[in-house]
Amino acid sequence: DQQVKQNSPSLSVQEGRISILNCDYTNSMFDYFLWYKKYPAEGPTFLISISSIKDKNEDGRFTVFLNKSAKHLSLHIVPSQPGDSAVYFCAASANAGGTSYGKLTFGQGTILTVHP
Amino acid sequence: EPEVTQTPSHQVTQMGQEVILRCVPISNHLYFYWYRQILGQKVEFLVSFYNNEISEKSEIFDDQFSVERPDGSNFTLKIRSTKLEDSAMYFCASFGLEGSTDTQYFGPGTRLTVL
Repeated sequence: DQQVKQNSPSLSVQEGRISILNCDYTNSMFDYFLWYKKYPAEGPTFLISISSIKDKNEDGRFTVFLNKSAKHLSLHIVPSQPGDSAVYFCAASANAGGTSYGKLTFGQGTILTVHP
Repeated sequence: EPEVTQTPSHQVTQMGQEVILRCVPISNHLYFYWYRQILGQKVEFLVSFYNNEISEKSEIFDDQFSVERPDGSNFTLKIRSTKLEDSAMYFCASFGLEGSTDTQYFGPGTRLTVL
């Protein structure tokens, strides 16, 4: 099942710089997209989401961009902090009326390391 | 801050034994889910539950699996006869509106080891 793909297994960034995490999807029925952060031995923690009717959503240091024609979304973190070091998962939901109450399909995750 | 809780944090069992994983979703949420993550693989959807019945299930969720909401607070996943390949982290989630964002909130997980 490769409906949601995160092609970069890892990303290393200097503190204060921008982190850009990417995600591609193939299912045209996805209408809601989310980013989760996960630390070892913990469950995924919701970070930010975007409905397919928007192309950008911003929350503090985190911005998610959605390019529907390219079936691509990205998460920008600026400025990056060492505490941001974690695994980041992209997830998508289909036919849920622009919410995430339907099943989530996850990407493989990207390990972000922010160096002081 | 409300959170999803899960017990136990780690369960070790022998192949063929039954296990029950327990979850307490966020109290005003109405949709509940189980996901699992086999080591090194993606987080995978197992089942969703709403209004006291299964609303959707994946191919993984076969007759060996069942879910129940035995009272107003707990949500359980039962595996009737565990297999080695059931070893994974199992995450419970619940869906609801928190502030201006509705999303699925995940518990810390139960690590199931089948020997």
